[in-house]
This record gives sequence, structure tokens and C-alpha cells, in this order.
Amino acid sequence: AQRVTQPEKLLSVFKGAPVELKCNYSYSGSPELFWYVQYSRQRLQLLLRHISRESIKGFTADLNKGETSFHLKKPFAQEEDSAMYYCALSGRGSGNTGKLIFGQGTTLQVKP
Amino acid sequence: ETGVTQSPTHLIKTRGQQVTLRCSSQSGHNTVSWYQQALGQGPQFIFQYYREEENGRGNFPPRFSGLQFPNYSSELNVNALELDDSALYLCASRKGQETQYFGPGTRLLVL
Repeated sequence: AQRVTQPEKLLSVFKGAPVELKCNYSYSGSPELFWYVQYSRQRLQLLLRHISRESIKGFTADLNKGETSFHLKKPFAQEEDSAMYYCALSGRGSGNTGKLIFGQGTTLQVKP
Repeated sequence: ETGVTQSPTHLIKTRGQQVTLRCSSQSGHNTVSWYQQALGQGPQFIFQYYREEENGRGNFPPRFSGLQFPNYSSELNVNALELDDSALYLCASRKGQETQYFGPGTRLLVL
């Protein structure tokens, strides 16, 4: 079964604290993993994708194929990071439509 | 370059009615996908259109149908509305296998 699991509905941290948003996946094949973010009153937007291996707004995520995880991390949280975060996957290669399978989302609340 | 737009922003319908939602893709994007996001859930894939043909479908009944036009804009049609169809409907567009860009969504309430 193809599935993305985000075990935490809400993660609350203080400004300056480290953040780790958990994401586990189940997929038979070679997936591409993404993190999407939705700030208050804004549309869903891509934060990062594993194949680009870049850091956006201080966030990084490493694909761990052994643990089938793609956790999102940031060493020092900022108040402007408060948002809803969705982990998603899609299939790679020919024959895959590129449809995204999303987790249920985690609300990150960064307190001052 | 304009982003993905959707209309209307909000809609109220009653059970049994039919609804059409519209999406204009981002300039240069030839693939449009539709997602349903129920309250408190992540988006769920409904279907995708590429060059006016459906080329992928999620676990949704046939009363969910769509169209893509030559200018790559798209419509989502839902017949025989049910209470559980109340959700935010998201459209996303992309070019080839590049990043998907999402619209602001249409919030549908079925009474």
C-alpha cells in the first residue's frame, strides 16, 4: 500500500529550539519525497524535495530508505516557521503520473 | 507569469445537486491535477489531465469527472453531491515532471 504517515498532528516548540517533523512512508518502488508548507491564509507551496538535496529557509530533510523516513529538521525554529507542514510522495520514472500522496499534516507552532 | 487560479472561492450546494469548479493553470504548464482536502486531512488525489486526456485517477467514484481545454485550463465536475463531498478542492499545475504549483482552492459546502 502507498501511504505517508505523519504521526504528530501538532508540534509546539519555543523560538530557537530545534524542530523535527516526522514523516514515514510506505511505497513499493522508488519514490520521490517532498515537504509542502501552508502558511496562514496562503496556498500550499513546495518547501523542498529530496532529489534536490537543498536547504530552504534553514530546513533540511534526508531520505532514509532503510527506515522509510523523510523527517524535516531545522536547528533553530523561528516564529515565522509556524504553519501546516505536509509530507508527500510520488512515484518516479516512466509510467508514473506524478500524483502526490500526502500525509495528514503536522501543525508547527513556534512560541516566542 | 501568473500563478494557478481557481473559481469560485466558496460554494454552497445541497445534496443531489451538481457542481463545476474551474482552474486556470500557470503559464506554460500542460498538466493539471485535482485534489480533495477534507477538514483536518491531507489532500487526496482525484485525477490528472495531460493534453486534454485523463492520465491518472485516484479512488473516487465516476460522479467525479473532469475536462482539460486546449489552453490547459481545467474543470472538475461532481454530480449527485453528497454531504461527504464538503471539502477544499485544490488544483495543481506543472510542466512535465517539474514541481506542482497549487491554486488557492475552492471550498465546497454541501448541505
